[in-house]
Amino acid sequence: IQMTQSPSSLSAFLGDSVTITCRASQGIANYLAWYQQKPGKVPEVLIFASSTLQPGVPSRFSGSGSGTEFTLTISSLQPEDAATYYCQRYNTAPWTFGQGTKVEI
Amino acid sequence: QVQLVHSGAEVRKPGASVRVSCQASGYTFSAYYIHWVRHAPRQGLQWMGRIIPNGGGTNYAQEFQDRVSMTVDTSINTVYMELNRLTSEDTAIYYCAKEASHRSRYFDSWGQGTLVSVSS
Repeated sequence: IQMTQSPSSLSAFLGDSVTITCRASQGIANYLAWYQQKPGKVPEVLIFASSTLQPGVPSRFSGSGSGTEFTLTISSLQPEDAATYYCQRYNTAPWTFGQGTKVEI
Repeated sequence: QVQLVHSGAEVRKPGASVRVSCQASGYTFSAYYIHWVRHAPRQGLQWMGRIIPNGGGTNYAQEFQDRVSMTVDTSINTVYMELNRLTSEDTAIYYCAKEASHRSRYFDSWGQGTLVSVSS
């Protein structure tokens, strides 16, 4: 199962709302996580089960979708949101990641 | 709190092997799968495989199947990832990550990573 993210990069202004899309080549129900990786840092989970926010993650992050189409939305973009975002399916092996979306602010 | 601590950076020549360790603490080590993910320069995250400390069962990504080995030493809460027949394309940061639960298999904790450089 392939995971395809779009766009590969985006640039937005502080306070903007941005949406990243992740498409699975086959249905994966809601077994979808989103990770944030800042430059030189370790990836961190933002959202799991497509829409459940990991404890401690700001509420401006939200996820939705099921089956083959998923979205990550960051509302009111902040300076610390500059990062690369990856989707990941985890319903079964292999645990495939999307190719990443670099967000510049 | 959960901690995953990696071994230090490694430099290898092409054709050699490397073994990276990941020592866990702060949770019941035997009960959760540990995954290995690598991040090569200008590339995305790539899943390599996973191991369950309780019993040592493994699943490997097809592209690494013939040259990766994941093992565990439960006496020191440590998992190992060995990669053989290295090429320059194996230059990457290698991460271990803990699976959140058997019902929700995303990664809730990551180690700091080990940089492996392959160069002649």
